[in-house]
Amino acid sequence: DGGITQSPKYLFRKEGQNVTLSCEQNLNHDAMYWYRQDPGQGLRLIYYSQIVNDFQKGDIAEGYSVSREKKESFPLTVTSAQKNPTAFYLCASSGGGSPHFGDGTRLSIL
Amino acid sequence: KQEVTQIPAALSVPEGENLVLNCSFTDSAIYNLQWFRQDPGKGLTSLLLIQSSQREQTSGRLNASLDKSSGRSTLYIAASQPGDSATYLCAVFFNQAGTALIFGKGTTLSVSS
Repeated sequence: DGGITQSPKYLFRKEGQNVTLSCEQNLNHDAMYWYRQDPGQGLRLIYYSQIVNDFQKGDIAEGYSVSREKKESFPLTVTSAQKNPTAFYLCASSGGGSPHFGDGTRLSIL
Repeated sequence: KQEVTQIPAALSVPEGENLVLNCSFTDSAIYNLQWFRQDPGKGLTSLLLIQSSQREQTSGRLNASLDKSSGRSTLYIAASQPGDSATYLCAVFFNQAGTALIFGKGTTLSVSS
């Protein structure tokens, strides 16, 4: 079945460590997005990409990095510069219509 | 700055009640508006998508309306059930270019049996 797969479901980061969240889609969508969700804050856009090898910063890009080397994949790296990374991270893709969301990755600090 | 606001933040009702969730947005020049459901610790499930040229959409017990001129959308849930308990998010595309959705903070609904 077509869809978006995020992995891992749970991730723990040590102080000073970079971690990478995976997002893969087989929907042939051009656009992909990363959101951060904090309790009571709703979803906030981190990065988005509308085509391969191109991506743009969202509202809260500081401390994060992405790549878009393949249409199917849009990994998000949470760097050590992100001082408050504990949150629920959601990846989405869109072919111009309604976006499809993955099941999310919950990142916590050890 | 484009913003999406949802009221109330939380709502508790007994089973069987009809209820309305509200969403307001600051810019009437929207491309489309979408309602999502989110269960705890899960991703988002699309409920209803309303194009800017439409006034409402219906799916089963759900009805969503859109009034661009007043910057409002409502999600009506008929005959609520305990299984409807979840967080409901309103999201607005402010353009077609795909520069992502702007989300409200959500309404957390609890339906008791």
